[in-house]
Amino acid sequence: NAGVTQTPKFQVLKTGQSMTLQCAQDMNHEYMSWYRQDPGMGLRLIHYSVGAGITDQGEVPNGYNVSRSTTEDFPLRLLSAAPSQTSVYFCASSYSIRWARWVDTQYFGPGTRLTVL
Amino acid sequence: AQTVTQSQPEMSVQEAETVTLSCTYDTSESDYYLFWYKQPPSRQMILVIRQEAYKQQNATENRFSVNFQKAAKSFSLKISDSQLGDAAMYFCASPSPPLETSGSRLTFGEGTQLTVNP
Repeated sequence: NAGVTQTPKFQVLKTGQSMTLQCAQDMNHEYMSWYRQDPGMGLRLIHYSVGAGITDQGEVPNGYNVSRSTTEDFPLRLLSAAPSQTSVYFCASSYSIRWARWVDTQYFGPGTRLTVL
Repeated sequence: AQTVTQSQPEMSVQEAETVTLSCTYDTSESDYYLFWYKQPPSRQMILVIRQEAYKQQNATENRFSVNFQKAAKSFSLKISDSQLGDAAMYFCASPSPPLETSGSRLTFGEGTQLTVNP
């Protein structure tokens, strides 16, 4: 199994450009999530999904869109990149039961380092 | 509001000695999981240990163990016989405050940078 894969590994954008960060998992996990990691701030949740067709906002959703058309894929779209979105982005997946009040072990992808000039 | 607190931004330990990293959290849930993740310079997030809140027994994984105090909402990580490869950033994670959404979420602490001295 490849686990959780993310592409690209590195990306440089200009302010105002749009792009999609790809995330895929082959573990048949229902729960998928996107985090951003900034120095000194740990990981902050952007968006998450408990299954195909269902997405919810996390702590820092502004400027990002997601969709979940399949169990395997959970792309993150930056609509109009801003320098404040310079960060490292992690995708993660885990087993879950819909409406459960707990989150099980999250398996992380290798991350994407994004720089917005 | 921050619900996970790691009060030690940096820690250091001598090789072969023991170190404890602290974490406090705040959740109103009764059944949940708590996690410690390790992030080495490669930046890959690696699960170190998981604690199930309904279990009284503290979780252990080889040289890693936790001291879980549910009433105090404390979840510390003990690393025994520290090795050079243990040097990394360590993150504690706990459930986020509940919302009327489709599922639960995790909140991560700000991390503790562990240095292992030879």
